[in-house]
Amino acid sequence: QVQLVESGGGLVQPGRSLRLSCAASGFKFYYYSFHWVRQAPGKGLEWVALTLHDGRNEFYADSVKGRFTVSRDASKDTVFLQMNSLRPEDTAVYYCASDLAPLSTSWPDYWGQGTLVTVSP
Amino acid sequence: AIQMTQSPSSLSASVGDRVTITCRASQGIREDIGWYQQKPGKAPKLLIYTATSLQTAVPSRFSGSGSGTDFTLTISSLQPEDFATYYCLQVYTYPRTFGQGTRIEFK
Repeated sequence: QVQLVESGGGLVQPGRSLRLSCAASGFKFYYYSFHWVRQAPGKGLEWVALTLHDGRNEFYADSVKGRFTVSRDASKDTVFLQMNSLRPEDTAVYYCASDLAPLSTSWPDYWGQGTLVTVSP
Repeated sequence: AIQMTQSPSSLSASVGDRVTITCRASQGIREDIGWYQQKPGKAPKLLIYTATSLQTAVPSRFSGSGSGTDFTLTISSLQPEDFATYYCLQVYTYPRTFGQGTRIEFK
């Protein structure tokens, strides 16, 4: 049974850092790309970042490029989102999602429950 | 980044209605678009990918069409469980971008 569990959210001051984790189980982690998608309160979905299945490439939304870093640890079946220089507009529920199929890089399909990040003084 | 413009932003409908949602890309994206359904407090659910492919276990009343810049999601006969917000997502290039969403409300 595929399961993704995010953790690491919370209240943080502007300019500080936070690292989110996404623990995966129930499928072959190594073959899958992972997306991070966020949703500000009462707003729509925003694609944030992608780590490819082989861990060799990452891609980012313009709004987070240079501040956020996505990584993965195959020994722990876990994906991370390191968020630096946080801003109030980064306040959102952050979802981790695995791609639809092995080696695919396009379709967030299995989603975690989300973790809330609040950036406020 | 490619802009995805969805319309309408919201609509009111009744059970049994045929509903169409449109997404327009700011440049051609072939058929590299998907559609998601999201209910309040829940994670999104993939309905359609590559413009027309129905994801496993998604009811056949959902269908997608289009190519290039103009795309549609159609629900042939709206059911009570379909009242939700729908988003398109382009995967033609990076960064991926979602449309702003279409909320289907009960008339």
